[in-house]
Amino acid sequence: ILNVEQSPQSLHVQEGDSTNFTCSFPSSNFYALHWYRWETAKSPEALFVMTLNGDEKKKGRISATLNTKEGYSYLYIKGSQPEDSATYLCAFAHRDDKIIFGKGTRLHILP
Amino acid sequence: DAGVIQSPRHEVTEMGQEVTLRCKPISGHDYLFWYRQTMMRGLELLIYFNNNVPIDDSGMPEDRFSAKMPNASFSTLKIQPSEPRDSAVYFCASRSTSGGPSSYNEQFFGPGTRLTVL
Repeated sequence: ILNVEQSPQSLHVQEGDSTNFTCSFPSSNFYALHWYRWETAKSPEALFVMTLNGDEKKKGRISATLNTKEGYSYLYIKGSQPEDSATYLCAFAHRDDKIIFGKGTRLHILP
Repeated sequence: DAGVIQSPRHEVTEMGQEVTLRCKPISGHDYLFWYRQTMMRGLELLIYFNNNVPIDDSGMPEDRFSAKMPNASFSTLKIQPSEPRDSAVYFCASRSTSGGPSSYNEQFFGPGTRLTVL
């Protein structure tokens, strides 16, 4: 059974603070790891896709790293802002084209 | 492009009724996915199509659920008969193969259909 775990499930962060959360996935048959951002009442939108061990991607204040050998990815947000409040989903792409989503980390930014 | 289009956006029905959800993928995308989102289970893949052919329907919960893709621009997810436990948000997403292996490419999600079965 392919399992993608995200932790924590929920996170409250003070505006201006930095934060990070984790996505764990199977280390075998890895093809790609996607991060999506999902705002309430909207649809998930892609943030990053990473394929190589050691990959790092950055978009503004948000960055992600990938460790395929141990099966985890971190998402970092620097200097959190209210607009960062959302659920962050990771999705593991298996070599046989299967995509498995984690349940997400729900981030709340406190003013 | 208008993005992935889903209809209806909200559906309220009574137990036992047939429900049909519709999806129009982004033009040129050759993969189409149906997901169900619930608090308990998160985002679950129900079924996906490649070039209108169902590839993996192992996520379809039971025989009451069926999906079709008669052409490249339209797909339906049908629940017959519906039950209260089917209440969820159903998302359709599409993806392109262009540029390389498809698993690398992002999925574009529709706005979802919120289904309530009373």
